Amino acid sequence: NAGVTQTPKFQVLKTGQSMTLQCAQDMNHNSMYWYRQDPGMGLRLIYYSASEGTTDKGEVPNGYNVSRLNKREFSLRLESAAPSQTSVYFCASSETGTSYEQYFGPGTRLTVT
Amino acid sequence: QKEVEQNSGPLSVPEGAIASLNCTYSDRGSQSFFWYRQYSGKSPELIMSIYSNGDKEDGRFTAQLNKASQYVSLLIRDSQPSDSATYLCAGYNNNDMRFGAGTRLTVKP
Repeated sequence: NAGVTQTPKFQVLKTGQSMTLQCAQDMNHNSMYWYRQDPGMGLRLIYYSASEGTTDKGEVPNGYNVSRLNKREFSLRLESAAPSQTSVYFCASSETGTSYEQYFGPGTRLTVT
Repeated sequence: QKEVEQNSGPLSVPEGAIASLNCTYSDRGSQSFFWYRQYSGKSPELIMSIYSNGDKEDGRFTAQLNKASQYVSLLIRDSQPSDSATYLCAGYNNNDMRFGAGTRLTVKP
């Protein structure tokens, strides 16, 4: 039981390049989330998916797109990376309707130069 | 604006002491509250959840919630050096989880 997995662990992009961050969970959770964490600002929600087939914007969605590929997988895409998107990205999942507890993946450290 | 506020610290306590971490929130619609522990360079790890007013104990950890005062706290008894980490408070309302910036705790041997 791996929990929540993310790939890649590290990535360096040049301004304007695109990439997709992958996330998968094996806990059969309905809801999945993407956060970014910046120094002194805590975790901020980018997008979430309350169930398979649905996605919604969070607090800071600009510059990102997401895809809920199936119940297990939720990807985050940067179409044209900017230095302001340098951050650590965390994926999380939860079983909504019962506890709302979110469980996090190991994170992706992204640097945009 | 939905805010969760924490004292950034650092909070330093001697080994064996009680560490007290505090958090306030602005969204009165928040239903559930959580404490996460995050070691440097690692992901947040859930340590406590609390949904109703009062205290909830789990081992050395006690979470306290006061919805009228919009206040959440975490007490760590018999603090150990391995408790040294950043502690994140979070409030949840309808798929929107808001995190505080975290309090850095150092437990000195």
